[in-house]
Amino acid sequence: DSGVTQTPKHLITATGQRVTLRCSPRSGDLSVYWYQQSLDQGLQFLIQYYNGEERAKGNILERFSAQQFPDLHSELNLSSLELGDSALYFCASSVDQGDTEAFFGQGTRLTVV
Amino acid sequence: GESVGLHLPTLSVQEGDNSIINCAYSNSASDYFIWYKQESGKGPQFIIDIRSNMDKRQGQRVTVLLNKTVKHLSLQIAATQPGDSAVYFCAENTGGFKTIFGAGTRLFVKA
Repeated sequence: DSGVTQTPKHLITATGQRVTLRCSPRSGDLSVYWYQQSLDQGLQFLIQYYNGEERAKGNILERFSAQQFPDLHSELNLSSLELGDSALYFCASSVDQGDTEAFFGQGTRLTVV
Repeated sequence: GESVGLHLPTLSVQEGDNSIINCAYSNSASDYFIWYKQESGKGPQFIIDIRSNMDKRQGQRVTVLLNKTVKHLSLQIAATQPGDSAVYFCAENTGGFKTIFGAGTRLFVKA
């Protein structure tokens, strides 16, 4: 158990809908990262937050947004969903913003039908 | 641009043998290179990292080698065990704010 909690574990929704994925980082970690993993693909970095502020952006679509709240949990919002958005979405956390060791949650499997 | 790639998509080794997983990178500006392991149904797990000014680092049963001349990174696992079966990702970290992952190598350990 990495200490990072993601909910829900599975999500099935229709095209055009909007969903919110939630992440609770390890106790004491200030950085949160979001990654997308498509079937048999590597992990695509989406976005990073540190202590409530956005720190880095990767290949995140404009339809996607995220935020980190004062209690340090984070949410990833995916809107106008398309079939191609079906993937595993991982959240990771680390103590500081420059850490190479990040702790990953179990992921949320999103299926868009 | 940034890219991290892997030479082989799958690797099959006999239990007890040593495993070597290779990775090529293109961004010479990366500060750290990292190896993660992902078991089926789980999130990636940090194994080891190496700073760009080093060429070798050892951990428990693992050794990472960095060859900056040819932009090559490898992960050596000694005495491979069935529990080592997983997908291994190399990754690079530039400036500390984001880690870019490669496509992954699947390691099969035969009993």
